[in-house]
Amino acid sequence: EVQLVESGGGLIQPGRSLTLSCAASGFTFSNYYMAWVRQAPTKGLEWVASITHRSTTTYFRDSVRGRFTISRDKANSTLYLQMDSLRSEDTATYYCVRADYYGGYSPVNWFAYWGQGTLVTVSS
Amino acid sequence: DIQMTQSPSSMSASLGDRVTITCQASQDIGNDLIWFQQKPGKSPRRVIYYATNLANGVPSRFSGSRSGSDYSLTIISLESEDVADYHCLQYKQYPLTFGSGTKLEIK
Repeated sequence: EVQLVESGGGLIQPGRSLTLSCAASGFTFSNYYMAWVRQAPTKGLEWVASITHRSTTTYFRDSVRGRFTISRDKANSTLYLQMDSLRSEDTATYYCVRADYYGGYSPVNWFAYWGQGTLVTVSS
Repeated sequence: DIQMTQSPSSMSASLGDRVTITCQASQDIGNDLIWFQQKPGKSPRRVIYYATNLANGVPSRFSGSRSGSDYSLTIISLESEDVADYHCLQYKQYPLTFGSGTKLEIK
């Protein structure tokens, strides 16, 4: 069974840093692209960042580029999101998502599995 | 960036009604569109992938269709368990973009 379990959220002051983790299990982690998606309270979904299966390429939305870093650890099947210079507008539930399979375009795989989310609140 | 214009933002319908939610893409995305259902306090659940394909375990009353740059999610006979927020996502091009969401309620 595919499982994605996020951790690391909490209350953090503006300007500080926080790192989220996502422990993956039930599939070969190194074969999949991964992503982070967030949802501010009572708002819609917003894609944040993605990373290829071997970490060769990362993608970010403009509002977090230069402040957030996405990375992954193959040995521990864990995805990370390091968030620096946090702002109040980064307050959201952050979801870890399994994106695409590396071995060629496969629509059936895209965004099929989501974690339960971890809440990040940026406030003084 | 590709804009996904989703409508309506909210709607209420009666049990058994046919319900349609639409996303319009600002650029060509082919069939690279996913529909998600999100119930209160829960993670999103994929219901349609590649614009028209029913995801595993999703009831057959859900369907997806495409007409040009307009993508639709249809529930042919609304049930109480379908009350949720619905979101579309294009993954043709980065940045990936979601529609603004539709809140579906029972009348």
